[in-house]
Amino acid sequence: EVVMTQSPAILSVSPGERATLSCRASQNINSYLAWYQHKPGQAPRLLIYGAVNRATGIPARFSGSGSGTDFSLTINSLQSEDFAVYFCQQYNNWPRTFGQGTKMEI
Amino acid sequence: QVQLVESGGGVVQPGRSLRLSCAASGSTFSDYYMFWLRQAPGKGLEWVAMISSDGHNKDYADSVKGRFTISRDNSRNTLVLEMNSLRAEDTAVYYCARDRDRRFDSWGQGTMVTVSS
Repeated sequence: EVVMTQSPAILSVSPGERATLSCRASQNINSYLAWYQHKPGQAPRLLIYGAVNRATGIPARFSGSGSGTDFSLTINSLQSEDFAVYFCQQYNNWPRTFGQGTKMEI
Repeated sequence: QVQLVESGGGVVQPGRSLRLSCAASGSTFSDYYMFWLRQAPGKGLEWVAMISSDGHNKDYADSVKGRFTISRDNSRNTLVLEMNSLRAEDTAVYYCARDRDRRFDSWGQGTMVTVSS
């Protein structure tokens, strides 16, 4: 199965700054990558699909890039509500697999 | 969008059974494939089981095959996961999620299952 590796495990940033999170696939997954945001006790939320497309209702400060094996999620002008765990998921191959997540903290 | 609410989690002894439910509202439940996923403490998410929109096709992760059964009732907008012969390694937060073009566009908030004697 495709192994998804996220880095860093923990990212410390300040409100108003930009954050860049990385996700690497163990083999080519084309652009079949999704990013999710997860806050404690809440349902995970789809942010990005197809590596670069924002899901419905996602603010423009969230952007995705990459293809093949290396992907990034960039969050500009961090807001207090953005501090959460972010994880990536590939859906090029079965079974679909997830990264371990990046915890973004203040 | 669809709202998904899981229930049925709890503490159970090894070897016993548990039944999880996921109630869907707000969208056409019967149009979509549905999944159960889980996240064990300190681990990443993994898929557990999948069911087609009409309920005829199912698939399971190797780790639960033969022990877990996924089902759905489209008339009641409900997804179910029957878990038998539970093991300590099944301890996790279990999520139901809707599949849309192979990504998960709606999730529940999760229900905790703890397998412990």
